[in-house]
Amino acid sequence: DAGVIQSPRHEVTEMGQEVTLRCKPISGHNSLFWYRQTMMRGLELLIYFNNNVPIDDSGMPEDRFSAKMPNASFSTLKIQPSEPRDSAVYFCASRPNYGNEQFFGPGTRLTVL
Amino acid sequence: AQSVTQLDSQVPVFEEAPVELRCNYSSSVSVYLFWYVQYPNQGLQLLLKYLSGSTLVKGINGFEAEFNKSQTSFHLRKPSVHISDTAEYFCAVSHNTNAGKSTFGDGTTLTVKP
Repeated sequence: DAGVIQSPRHEVTEMGQEVTLRCKPISGHNSLFWYRQTMMRGLELLIYFNNNVPIDDSGMPEDRFSAKMPNASFSTLKIQPSEPRDSAVYFCASRPNYGNEQFFGPGTRLTVL
Repeated sequence: AQSVTQLDSQVPVFEEAPVELRCNYSSSVSVYLFWYVQYPNQGLQLLLKYLSGSTLVKGINGFEAEFNKSQTSFHLRKPSVHISDTAEYFCAVSHNTNAGKSTFGDGTTLTVKP
């Protein structure tokens, strides 16, 4: 199994630009999570989906952030417009429906100049 | 609501010494407990988990943890650490339902010195 796949691995953009991060969960997993990790705030849950439906988006910082899961094998996290304070590593994780552990992707390192 | 407190933000130890990383949690319902490890520039990976049964749980790389319900703790231990164990370790808790989310602690950075 290829594990959770995230793209791109690195993204450098300028303030005000739109950024789209992508995630392919492990096949058969029915929950998907988006996290943000920074030195200052540690690991933060942004949003999670169960069976493609957003269950809890209380961690989404503001309206500039949006996430979608159009099908069981793909999810996106979009930031529009991006700001320097959005610079962080963004992780996607998926979880099978029979267990409770999460499987993390390698992360996308976002730098907003 | 549930919460996790990792009592030490940084733990330096010498190679081959024992180590304990402390984790306390609070929850009003039964929980599942996890330890994850994050090596530099990588995502988190599961080290071990407690779902039910024996309170002593063994994981990968020689780590183990003990669930103590009365003290609401889930401390991680290893009798002899290696340089390669240098990483950040996260304790996490979730309600014992498959639909819930996990709450992560702030992490403990373990640095193993030669």
